[in-house]
Amino acid sequence: AQTVTQSQPEMSVQEAETVTLSCTYDTSESDYYLFWYKQPPSRQMILVIRQEAYKQQNATENRFSVNFQKAAKSFSLKISDSQLGDAAMYFCAYRGPSSNTGKLIFGQGTTLQVKP
Amino acid sequence: DGGITQSPKYLFRKEGQNVTLSCEQNLNHDAMYWYRQDPGQGLRLIYYSQIVNDFQKGDIAEGYSVSREKKESFPLTVTSAQKNPTAFYLCASSISLGLNEQFFGPGTRLTVL
Repeated sequence: AQTVTQSQPEMSVQEAETVTLSCTYDTSESDYYLFWYKQPPSRQMILVIRQEAYKQQNATENRFSVNFQKAAKSFSLKISDSQLGDAAMYFCAYRGPSSNTGKLIFGQGTTLQVKP
Repeated sequence: DGGITQSPKYLFRKEGQNVTLSCEQNLNHDAMYWYRQDPGQGLRLIYYSQIVNDFQKGDIAEGYSVSREKKESFPLTVTSAQKNPTAFYLCASSISLGLNEQFFGPGTRLTVL
């Protein structure tokens, strides 16, 4: 069974600095998607970034980028120039091929605090 | 605007009562999902539906039921058989069950009194 692990329950960063959130996963599939979701205090789940496993190039979205290491099954999120609005819980998620349920498998989450 | 709506935002239920959570989407998505989130944890899949009139159990379906009579709607009923129903419930949809991103609704907080 696929699993997703986020080993950092809490992280903090100074405003304008850079922070990296870690995520590892376990799967025997070769084709899959990985996601980072942000859940602010409103609890709305917001997609931050996604990575297709067949793509070697790391995904980037403005200040957010990932370091995808397929062989190591690692998928970290880097937030550059951190802003107060980045404070939230961040979830790493895995989604396998449609031969499974297509469900998202989530990690336990990392709470990010941004200090002014 | 296109999106997913869930209602109500907060719901209180007495023990022994069934309660139904609403989820509606106007994204023309075929696939819909229900997840449960407990404090400090990630989301777990309750039920999912690939298409109208079809749905399948997820990882924690016991004590829940769903229907999919319309493409736009995927209501979740929390029955009295669910032993610990107090949680945050999130509905999501995607174009299909394939490797497509899921869009989430704003969630419903259910509290059993």
